[in-house]
Amino acid sequence: KQEVTQIPAALSVPEGENLVLNCSFTDSAIYNLQWFRQDPGKGLTSLLLIQSSQREQTSGRLNASLDKSSGRSTLYIAASQPGDSATYLCAVPGAGNMLTFGGGTRLMVKP
Amino acid sequence: DAGITQSPRHKVTETGTPVTLRCHQTENHRYMYWYRQDPGHGLRLIHYSYGVKDTDKGEVSDGYSVSRSKTEDFLLTLESATSSQTSVYFCAISPDGNEQFFGPGTRLTVL
Repeated sequence: KQEVTQIPAALSVPEGENLVLNCSFTDSAIYNLQWFRQDPGKGLTSLLLIQSSQREQTSGRLNASLDKSSGRSTLYIAASQPGDSATYLCAVPGAGNMLTFGGGTRLMVKP
Repeated sequence: DAGITQSPRHKVTETGTPVTLRCHQTENHRYMYWYRQDPGHGLRLIHYSYGVKDTDKGEVSDGYSVSRSKTEDFLLTLESATSSQTSVYFCAISPDGNEQFFGPGTRLTVL
């Protein structure tokens, strides 16, 4: 059974810092990996989708990498802002397109 | 929210009563999903649909049924609600089973 782990569970940084969120998965036979953002009391917003054939995907200040062989993905956030404060979730697909989610990293960016 | 609405957004009901949650999309996406989100368990798939009248079970389907009579609507029914079904329910859609887009969620409380 696929297991997805996100470290750290919580992170607090001052505004302007570059930071890296980590996601690891146990079964490397995935065809993509998706990163989401969730604000308190809200739904999930898709940030990036990396296909298994890709190593990186970029959107604005966000850069996600995928290393299938080691079972890892990282989400890099450049020049963090208070508005980046949220919970970040990674997810990988399984049987029936079911997404298996990590527990999330709760990020706080302090002004 | 990628053209996804969920109704109701909040509901309080009593144990043993039937409850139906609705997910409506305007994207004409083929795939639709129902997840629940619980502290300590993260997001888990309940049921999904890969076309009109085509549905299948997810990881935590016991006590739930679904129906999809039109492309745009996916209904989740709790035949006899229990306190263990108190949760936040999210609908998601996908054009091709890859990237998934989530709705705003329904907070259900079963007393």
